Amino acid sequence: AQSVSQHNHHVILSEAASLELGCNYSYGGTVNLFWYVQYPGQHLQLLLKYFSGDPLVKGIKGFEAEFIKSKFSFNLRKPSVQWSDTAEYFCAVNYRSGTYKYIFGTGTRLKVLA
Amino acid sequence: GAGVSQSPSNKVTEKGKDVELRCDPISGHTALYWYRQSLGQGLEFLIYFQGNSAPDKSGLPSDRFSAERTGGSVSTLTIQRTQQEDSAVYLCASSARQGQETQYFGPGTRLLVL
Repeated sequence: AQSVSQHNHHVILSEAASLELGCNYSYGGTVNLFWYVQYPGQHLQLLLKYFSGDPLVKGIKGFEAEFIKSKFSFNLRKPSVQWSDTAEYFCAVNYRSGTYKYIFGTGTRLKVLA
Repeated sequence: GAGVSQSPSNKVTEKGKDVELRCDPISGHTALYWYRQSLGQGLEFLIYFQGNSAPDKSGLPSDRFSAERTGGSVSTLTIQRTQQEDSAVYLCASSARQGQETQYFGPGTRLLVL
């Protein structure tokens, strides 16, 4: 079955620390990849997405992610986190064959200490 | 409307009762998704509508769950004979079309089954 794994369930960092959140997906052909973020009390919103082209994707608020096809990974990174980055982060995969449903990971709760 | 809306925002019901959850997608969006978000479980795909095509119901956990989308716009998720394990946040999302498009999420309906 198609699946998405986020290995870090809870991450605590101090401001200015670097962030990397892992995301791996199971093989299923060509994929579209997404990172969504849910800030406290807010809706889920798109952080960045990859469809094709440059495997290094830049998103909002200084976030970026790198698609490594050979590793089936799409890790999220930010060089220097801020207190306002405290949120829950979800990786999602959309397999281009089939019915286009999205598979989400279980999420990573990030807490940034001021 | 400006975004995806869902109603009610909170619903408390007794075990065995039926509930209906409503989703109003962004106007013009042809794709509509329902997810269930439980603590520590990430987003669980339930059902997906795309235009006038037959919906993908592969994520519905049991035959107590059903959904319809009238006129290609508003959708209703119905849970019959609710059980305590149905307690969760039910999220609706819409996108301009299937696959590559960003999903826009509503605020969710928090369901508590006593």
